[in-house]
Amino acid sequence: GNSVTQMEGPVTLSEEAFLTINCTYTATGYPSLFWYVQYPGEGLQLLLKATKADDKGSNKGFEATYRKETTSFHLEKGSVQVSDSAVYFCALRNSGYSTLTFGKGTMLLVSP
Amino acid sequence: EPEVTQTPSHQVTQMGQEVILRCVPISNHLYFYWYRQILGQKVEFLVSFYNNEISEKSEIFDDQFSVERPDGSNFTLKIRSTKLEDSAMYFCASSDPEKNSPLHFGNGTRLTVT
Repeated sequence: GNSVTQMEGPVTLSEEAFLTINCTYTATGYPSLFWYVQYPGEGLQLLLKATKADDKGSNKGFEATYRKETTSFHLEKGSVQVSDSAVYFCALRNSGYSTLTFGKGTMLLVSP
Repeated sequence: EPEVTQTPSHQVTQMGQEVILRCVPISNHLYFYWYRQILGQKVEFLVSFYNNEISEKSEIFDDQFSVERPDGSNFTLKIRSTKLEDSAMYFCASSDPEKNSPLHFGNGTRLTVT
């Protein structure tokens, strides 16, 4: 079956530090991969996506590259801000299927 | 930008009661979903709905749960005979029919069963 594994949080960083949140997956076929972000008290917002191997998704300074050989989709940002503090969810969706499978989420805390 | 809206934002109910959680998906979307997130745990898939019928459901989605699209805009989740362990954040989502299109989520309804 499908599964997504994310690094345990919380990840605590100072402003302007470099961020990596690891995500690996197990899936049949060729899934699409997503990062969602959940700010305090809000719902899940799509941050970025990649639909095939070697695609790079990017948005708001965040990037993630679909690595089929390592079944990974690590989230990176070169310089985090306090406003990036949130929970980040890695997710996959199989081609031809409609459901998303989420990881457990990684909380990011950025201090000034 | 169009968004998925959910009401109420917080629902408190007593054990054994029935609740209906409401969602208005994005208007041109055709796939609808419910997910839940128990506090501190992962986001879990409950059910997907397309063309006025359930297209997929998880093991969690047993006879206690039902979904309905009563008109052209609303999508509801009914939970019968609520239990303490049903306390969670329930998220509605919708997507358009394009392959690999992302899901758009509402802000959720926090259900507290006492």
